[in-house]
Amino acid sequence: NAGVTQTPKFRILKIGQSMTLQCTQDMNHNYMYWYRQDPGMGLKLIYYSVGAGITDKGEVPNGYNVSRSTTEDFPLRLELAAPSQTSVYFCASSGSGETQYFGPGTRLLVL
Amino acid sequence: AQSVTQLDSQVPVFEEAPVELRCNYSSSVSVYLFWYVQYPNQGLQLLLKYLSGSTLVESINGFEAEFNKSQTSFHLRKPSVHISDTAEYFCAVTLSGGSNYKLTFGKGTLLTVNP
Repeated sequence: NAGVTQTPKFRILKIGQSMTLQCTQDMNHNYMYWYRQDPGMGLKLIYYSVGAGITDKGEVPNGYNVSRSTTEDFPLRLELAAPSQTSVYFCASSGSGETQYFGPGTRLLVL
Repeated sequence: AQSVTQLDSQVPVFEEAPVELRCNYSSSVSVYLFWYVQYPNQGLQLLLKYLSGSTLVESINGFEAEFNKSQTSFHLRKPSVHISDTAEYFCAVTLSGGSNYKLTFGKGTLLTVNP
């Protein structure tokens, strides 16, 4: 039982490039979330999903897209990367909805 | 909408001293409250949570937090800290009985335990 896994661990992007951050959970959780963490700012919700085929925007969705074709996977897509998207990205999942389990994070640098 | 305020961005203490990390929340409806801990270069781990019932909740490593509805607070305390407690601590809130359980986080408190 690996929990929540994220790939890659670290990535450098050039401005205007695109990439997909991968998130997979093996706990059969319905709820999944993407957050970004910036120094001194806590975590901000980007997108979330309450089940396969259902996604919705969080607090800071601009510049990102998601899909949820399976229960296990919840990839986050960055189109046209900008320096403001330099951050650490965390994926989380929850079964009951009360406790969220976090992945180890992806550190992204946009230059 | 709900919000969370963590009153101290950094708290330095000496080993074996007591510590309190303060958290206040704002919400017009009932909430669930959480403390998460983040060790360096790791993801967040749940430390403890208040859902209902006893207002005093405890973690397995000696932390406790008390839900105070009248003061809208959920402060985290430990009577004697260890070097290994050095980490960033996040208070978070979600609506009780909600359909998506979105968490709203505070900005975090960096606890540094010095020898």
